[in-house]
Amino acid sequence: GAGVSQTPSNKVTEKGKYVELRCDPISGHTALYWYRQSLGQGPEFLIYFQGTGAADDSGLPNDRFFAVRPEGSVSTLKIQRTERGDSAVYLCASSLTSGARQETQYFGPGTRLLVL
Amino acid sequence: QQPVQSPQAVILREGEDAVINCSSSKALYSVHWYRQKHGEAPVFLMILLKGGEQKGHEKISASFNEKKQQSSLYLTASQLSYSGTYFCGTERYSGGGADGLTFGKGTHLIIQP
Repeated sequence: GAGVSQTPSNKVTEKGKYVELRCDPISGHTALYWYRQSLGQGPEFLIYFQGTGAADDSGLPNDRFFAVRPEGSVSTLKIQRTERGDSAVYLCASSLTSGARQETQYFGPGTRLLVL
Repeated sequence: QQPVQSPQAVILREGEDAVINCSSSKALYSVHWYRQKHGEAPVFLMILLKGGEQKGHEKISASFNEKKQQSSLYLTASQLSYSGTYFCGTERYSGGGADGLTFGKGTHLIIQP
């Protein structure tokens, strides 16, 4: 079946601009996660959704970052007033359910964001 | 706290074995292992659970030592396809439940023919 998909695959923007990154999870997966991966580092947690609500957004670096999942499926990560330090690969993952630590998180291919 | 992985990098000849370690300063209930090839998404390998047995996946297996708060990934008779960066992930909160993972910095594995 289809895996996690993310669009766009690459995004180049100028400092100060607004960007939206989209994630389409595996069908039927109720939990959705956003991570950010900088060069040479492991993925860094940003936010976790259970259904439509953000269950944990403590990883968002500041108030320029916001994410939504209005219908409990597709999610959009929004970054306002982008800065060069926001350049990274933004990864989305989904898992079947929540409440079970043995749930596997399946990652999408990521969106490579470059802020000039 | 971010788990610590060792070694940072390993270079092997095809057919050799490797061990990758993942240690945490906090109590662990589960450890998730992933492999990532350059420019690709992390691919799930296995989950080790507290109280669970050692798990295996092809010629890749792993163990989980709760007392030492560490997990080890074993790659035997390595193949060229095993090349990549291996990450371990641990739960952000010890209270359980599905939540985001905290990943180590990764171990770069290079398999040479």
